[in-house]
Amino acid sequence: ETGVTQSPTHLIKTRGQQVTLRCSSQSGHNTVSWYQQALGQGPQFIFQYYREEENGRGNFPPRFSGLQFPNYSSELNVNALELDDSALYLCASSPDPTGVSYEQYFGPGTRLTVT
Amino acid sequence: AQTVTQSQPEMSVQEAETVTLSCTYDTSESDYYLFWYKQPPSRQMILVIRQEAYKQQNATENRFSVNFQKAAKSFSLKISDSQLGDAAMYFCAYEETSGSRLTFGEGTQLTVNP
Repeated sequence: ETGVTQSPTHLIKTRGQQVTLRCSSQSGHNTVSWYQQALGQGPQFIFQYYREEENGRGNFPPRFSGLQFPNYSSELNVNALELDDSALYLCASSPDPTGVSYEQYFGPGTRLTVT
Repeated sequence: AQTVTQSQPEMSVQEAETVTLSCTYDTSESDYYLFWYKQPPSRQMILVIRQEAYKQQNATENRFSVNFQKAAKSFSLKISDSQLGDAAMYFCAYEETSGSRLTFGEGTQLTVNP
């Protein structure tokens, strides 16, 4: 069973640029959630995708957008990068977002630095 | 909106001793789930223990146990026989029954002294 993977591991971008982060969900999982973890803080929910549709969104501006593909892998896109976007971005997958709660399995994260 | 508060930014414990990490939360829901996650320097978030709000019995996983006080909205984690490998950032998290959006606290950095 393959765990959650994320790429790249580290990324350095300049303010104003755009970035795409990738996540491969665990085998058998159809739900992917993205979290932003600023240094020294707890993760903040960005949004969740379930069967290729957005299924809930946190308090993040529209320049944060995402996609989920038929194989349930996912992308997080951030446009017009700001310095405050510097953070660890975590992806988590789970079998299903409704009904009984399932454990979310986290990937190792992508460290984004905006200069 | 639900909130999760961890009032201890840092805690330390001697190896083999017991330590308790505190967490309080605020919600108007009656059914929900609570979690403790561990995040070592490798950054990988690892589930330590989970508690269903409808269960009165406190969850236990080997050396890890919780004290769930629903009326007080308190959810503390007790680590017994602490080991050097327990050193990490610990996050308390809340999840509504109807979805899997996790709301995290600010974390407690646990140091284990040999």
